Amino acid sequence: DAMVIQNPRYQVTQFGKPVTLSCSQTLNHNVMYWYQQKSSQAPKLLFHYYDKDFNNEADTPDNFQSRRPNTSFCFLDIRSPGLGDAAMYLCATRLYGDLNQPQHFGDGTRLSIL
Amino acid sequence: AQSVTQPDIHITVSEGASLELRCNYSYGATPYLFWYVQSPGQGLQLLLKYFSGDTLVQGIKGFEAEFKRSQSSFNLRKPSVHWSVAAEYFCAVGSSSGGYNKLIFGAGTRLAVHP
Repeated sequence: DAMVIQNPRYQVTQFGKPVTLSCSQTLNHNVMYWYQQKSSQAPKLLFHYYDKDFNNEADTPDNFQSRRPNTSFCFLDIRSPGLGDAAMYLCATRLYGDLNQPQHFGDGTRLSIL
Repeated sequence: AQSVTQPDIHITVSEGASLELRCNYSYGATPYLFWYVQSPGQGLQLLLKYFSGDTLVQGIKGFEAEFKRSQSSFNLRKPSVHWSVAAEYFCAVGSSSGGYNKLIFGAGTRLAVHP
């Protein structure tokens, strides 16, 4: 089945040690999103790509970076994770067009910081 | 500013009872509205969406939602719940800010089901 796949499902890293989270999709959608979701909160948009056009949210910390080498893959890099970055990170995709097109989410990567 | 309010943080219902989860939105134009469900440790799954036409929308898993423009509401309903629907439910409005669709989420409603 076509889907959004996030790897790994669980990631543990040390305070200050760079970490990369991965997202791939077989939907051939041109828009990809990264969200941060902390416990019992709504997902918070970090940034999104329309093809290779990168769009950063104004309040996304500089510590968070992203790469999209091709349509299928998108990576979230956290350069120096702090304890406050422990969260679920969700990737989503969407076919650009009418606003009624929904976003399709992966199962997320839960990041823990030691 | 665009916003979504889910007034109920937690709701508990008995198995077999009916369910209604409330959602109110603030949006200047015609809203594009969505309900997503999130099971523990999982991503978000789309239940249903509304953008125009019939104000009563049918979704997956027996859910439906009714758009009421006069009340700025998009409440989610299910006539009889099973324990398996216990999860977190998010209402969202699609925003065209910046030309690309962004979702503005409500804070979520956590649903518990008593046997």
